[in-house]
Amino acid sequence: AQSVTQPDIHITVSEGASLELRCNYSYGATPYLFWYVQSPGQGLQLLLKYFSGDTLVQGIKGFEAEFKRSQSSFNLRKPSVHWSDAAEYFCAVRANAGGTSYGKLTFGQGTILTVHP
Amino acid sequence: GAVVSQHPSRVICKSGTSVKIECRSLDFQATTMFWYRQFPKKSLMLMATSNEGSKATYEQGVEKDKFLINHASLTLSTLTVTSAHPEDSSFYICSARNSGGTEAFFGQGTRLTVV
Repeated sequence: AQSVTQPDIHITVSEGASLELRCNYSYGATPYLFWYVQSPGQGLQLLLKYFSGDTLVQGIKGFEAEFKRSQSSFNLRKPSVHWSDAAEYFCAVRANAGGTSYGKLTFGQGTILTVHP
Repeated sequence: GAVVSQHPSRVICKSGTSVKIECRSLDFQATTMFWYRQFPKKSLMLMATSNEGSKATYEQGVEKDKFLINHASLTLSTLTVTSAHPEDSSFYICSARNSGGTEAFFGQGTRLTVV
C-alpha cells in the first residue's frame, strides 16, 4: 500500500524568502504525485502533478516540485513566498493499479505554512 | 478545467437526524467518485470509492450503514450521514474522476456540525 510522509507539520517563513516543503512517498511502482493547497474551510486546489517525463514540474502560483526517485521524494519549492501563500499544503500519491479503487489518493499529514511580513 | 460542485458547503443538524451531501461533476462524466473526511488539523482520510451504477467500496473502519453512498448517475454522488452524532462533525470532501482520467477534481467541501 502506498503512503506519504510530510515531515514538517508547521513551517514559518518571511515574505520574500524561499520555501521548500518536504514530501516522501512509498509506492511499489512509478508513482503519480500531487501537491494540493487548502485554505481554511475550503476544498483542495491542485498546485501541480507528476506523472512521467521531466522530473522538475512547474505548477500554478509560481510553485515547482522535483521528483527524485532515488530519494522517494517530491519536494515543493517556491523562490519567493507571498503572504497569500499562507495555507496548508498536502502531498499525495495516487494508486495506479486497476480495480475499483483506481485513482484514489493517499495524502500526507499536511504542512501548515505561516508567512511573516 | 473540470468543475466539481459540492452542496451544501455548511450544514448544522440535530443529533439523531440524517444529512445528505451532494457531489456533482458539472462538465464531465464522473465514472468514479471518492469521499474523504478531514478531522480538525488532520489530513484527508478516504472513506469510500464509488463507481457509477455499482456499490461503493468502503475503506477499513468506515461504517457502511452509517455513511450511505449512492452514485446513481455519471454526474452525481451523494453521501448520507445517518443518525448523526456529534462525533460525526467533520469536513467532508468529494472528488470525481472520469473514465481514463489521470486526475480527480475536488469539490469545495462540506462542513458538518452535529449538535
